[in-house]
Amino acid sequence: AQSVTQLDSQVPVFEEAPVELRCNYSSSVSVYLFWYVQYPNQGLQLLLKYLSGSTLVKGINGFEAEFNKSQTSFHLRKPSVHISDTAEYFCAVKENTGFQKLVFGTGTRLLVSP
Amino acid sequence: DGGITQSPKYLFRKEGQNVTLSCEQNLNHDAMYWYRQDPGQGLRLIYYSQIVNDFQKGDIAEGYSVSREKKESFPLTVTSAQKNPTAFYLCASSYPLVRPSATNEKLFFGSGTQLSVL
Repeated sequence: AQSVTQLDSQVPVFEEAPVELRCNYSSSVSVYLFWYVQYPNQGLQLLLKYLSGSTLVKGINGFEAEFNKSQTSFHLRKPSVHISDTAEYFCAVKENTGFQKLVFGTGTRLLVSP
Repeated sequence: DGGITQSPKYLFRKEGQNVTLSCEQNLNHDAMYWYRQDPGQGLRLIYYSQIVNDFQKGDIAEGYSVSREKKESFPLTVTSAQKNPTAFYLCASSYPLVRPSATNEKLFFGSGTQLSVL
């Protein structure tokens, strides 16, 4: 079964600084990878996804992530964060064989301060 | 506008009481899901349904029940057997797997229901 690890529970950063949120996964088969964002008291929105093809994936709000198969990682990056990026970010993995459930990591809270 | 509607936004349960959380979608999605979110634990799958009149247990189904009588609706009942029900509950839906599109892997989420125990 697949699993996801987000080692950082919280990442504080100053406005306009770059940020990287780490995600590692485990699976015995090929996977699809996702990053979702959750603003306070709301549901989740898809930021970006990797299904196949180019390993560098660009998403909404200036975020991007790179799929690294050898390191089983899918880290999320943004070159310059805004206050409005303060939210909880979830990495998720899904095996690409039939109907498989989406498995979420424990989340990383990004705190952007002025 | 298409989307997923969860109600109520806040719900309180008395000890020994069953409560039902509503989830309605008008996206014409076949698959629907219920997740439970606890601080520091991410999202855990309670139940999911791939098609009307069919549903499967997720990782933490004990103390919960669901029904899928209509494509648009997937209500979740938190029974008295669930001893620690306080959590944020999220409903989601997705396109059917037979749809030949990359977008069939995306989940659409509702805005959630916060359940607390009185």
